[in-house]
Amino acid sequence: DQQVKQNSPSLSVQEGRISILNCDYTNSMFDYFLWYKKYPAEGPTFLISISSIKDKNEDGRFTVFLNKSAKHLSLHIVPSQPGDSAVYFCAASGYYGGSQGNLIFGKGTKLSVKP
Amino acid sequence: KAGVTQTPRYLIKTRGQQVTLSCSPISGHRSVSWYQQTPGQGLQFLFEYFSETQRNKGNFPGRFSGRQFSNSRSEMNVSTLELGDSALYLCASSSPRNTEAFFGQGTRLTVV
Repeated sequence: DQQVKQNSPSLSVQEGRISILNCDYTNSMFDYFLWYKKYPAEGPTFLISISSIKDKNEDGRFTVFLNKSAKHLSLHIVPSQPGDSAVYFCAASGYYGGSQGNLIFGKGTKLSVKP
Repeated sequence: KAGVTQTPRYLIKTRGQQVTLSCSPISGHRSVSWYQQTPGQGLQFLFEYFSETQRNKGNFPGRFSGRQFSNSRSEMNVSTLELGDSALYLCASSSPRNTEAFFGQGTRLTVV
């Protein structure tokens, strides 16, 4: 059973508008959430993260929102640029047995930003 | 600071063969994790090594194994290769105080 779900395989947005990528999780033990961006044939690049004690984290054009009660997080990109076109992965981890556990990834959302 | 380095970048092997992939983490990072990416399954966790010990393991068959050396470099081995093992294999390293994992560019393995 998928513990981290990205229900939209793709998203198309006009340049300059807001991109909103969504992610849901099922495991209430997750306490750290991350977003990665991936271009074809490259490894994922870390974008932004959020701890479960926060509900918002901002870094430039990127903002991540966390709704713990709904087990939902979202990544907002404002304004969207053509260079943002990539696959975005949501990931989660929990603190188990004295160490941070491995990352559990969603299946990704392909974002296309049209000029 | 150099990033995570994976070698080789591309590999073609025949069914039944075995393969070894290498990963050099960011200097100072002691945790190395391996992931498999396939089009249908996304990124799936294989295993994590910390201070030469396997700390976590994903749901993969025993044909997939790994190890970590004293300098934190890690290797992953797949024996008796199957066509379904064709994938992008990604290595990530993280420091004890960071929860963020930094990925290498991956090794594209094709099994024919």
